[in-house]
Amino acid sequence: QKEVEQNSGPLSVPEGAIASLNCTYSDRGSQSFFWYRQYSGKSPELIMSIYSNGDKEDGRFTAQLNKASQYVSLLIRDSQPSDSATYLCAVRTGGSYIPTFGRGTSLIVHP
Amino acid sequence: EADIYQTPRYLVIGTGKKITLECSQTMGHDKMYWYQQDPGMELHLIHYSYGVNSTEKGDLSSESTVSRIRTEHFPLTLESARPSHTSQYLCASSEFRGSSGANVLTFGAGSRLTVL
Repeated sequence: QKEVEQNSGPLSVPEGAIASLNCTYSDRGSQSFFWYRQYSGKSPELIMSIYSNGDKEDGRFTAQLNKASQYVSLLIRDSQPSDSATYLCAVRTGGSYIPTFGRGTSLIVHP
Repeated sequence: EADIYQTPRYLVIGTGKKITLECSQTMGHDKMYWYQQDPGMELHLIHYSYGVNSTEKGDLSSESTVSRIRTEHFPLTLESARPSHTSQYLCASSEFRGSSGANVLTFGAGSRLTVL
């Protein structure tokens, strides 16, 4: 079992809808959780980080963390075609500084 | 402006050649990383460094080598390139923020290597 699991997708949503991206992790000692966005042919860039249970909002993006259930999610409200990209979940597990990346979920927002 | 730079951005080279992919960052980060990523596939960590004169191999076995003589510079070298080395190579750096446990990576633009 991979340490960080994501559905590879693609997840297709219409413009204006809410896109929900999910990520589960195996190490209960995980402390830091990150969402990166990667456009095709480009490098990943950080969108959100979250460290405590609950929700964290930044503009149209909301990260949700549930440590008891070992999942972290990213909600994108009012999805735009420009949000079409691969979203990488990264988790810093206990005992290592290096975050472990999931395979990424491809999101397609169609007009 | 603080940033992380990779050169060359694109390289097409013949089998057997020695190549060095350059990575420099101006953010003063102590940690640097090399990832390999094929199109549409996941990131694979191939090397990392916690600081000057510290280098470690990552999760993915790689025939490349790295060095860290200066904080800002983390070059990756392939002594004899092969077609199987064709891939995108991404350099990243980070600064560990102890109080929050954050280790946010900043990535360079990448070097796309094609070995004929």
